[in-house]
Amino acid sequence: EAGVAQSPRYKIIEKRQSVAFWCNPISGHATLYWYQQILGQGPKLLIQFQNNGVVDDSQLPKDRFSAERLKGVDSTLKIQPAKLEDSAVYLCASGYYNEQFFGPGTRLTVL
Amino acid sequence: KQEVTQIPAALSVPEGENLVLNCSFTDSAIYNLQWFRQDPGKGLTSLLLIQSSQREQTSGRLNASLDKSSGRSTLYIAASQPGDSATYLCAVDAGGTSYGKLTFGQGTILTVHP
Repeated sequence: EAGVAQSPRYKIIEKRQSVAFWCNPISGHATLYWYQQILGQGPKLLIQFQNNGVVDDSQLPKDRFSAERLKGVDSTLKIQPAKLEDSAVYLCASGYYNEQFFGPGTRLTVL
Repeated sequence: KQEVTQIPAALSVPEGENLVLNCSFTDSAIYNLQWFRQDPGKGLTSLLLIQSSQREQTSGRLNASLDKSSGRSTLYIAASQPGDSATYLCAVDAGGTSYGKLTFGQGTILTVHP
């Protein structure tokens, strides 16, 4: 079966610009997660969706980050405006029972 | 708040060695613990998942143990190979209202040289 797809794979922007990331989970997986992984650290959960509803967004910086999952399938994560400290890899995962399956991530560099 | 720590931060070994990676967590009330592998430029691949009621899981040359009471897990890799070179991450799921929300350690960077 196809894995979790993410695009773009790499993005370079200047601070204060906006950026959006896209994720297509594994077919049939109801749960979708967005993680932020800063260099040298483990991933940190930003937001968790169950179908198209938000389960937890307690660690999402809502003043600049937003996420949506329309129709309970694809999801987008947006940052506006970006800061230097947002430079990281953004990982999307879809969940089935106990397991999470991760996409390849989008590496964001903010200059 | 759950905190997960991995030791060592980096490890370099010659091919063929057996090695142990360590993971500790502060809150023993976990639902499960997972070990992941991350290759450069790629996402995470799940290696082993241990439910809170289990003591260990094995897959090929990998064995993971869990001691909930002491807040520790170890990943044992037998007869290491250069292809094992990657970052290894452990993550805990607290379950309950936090089901599915993984808290990760910072990872151990493993290099196996020929």
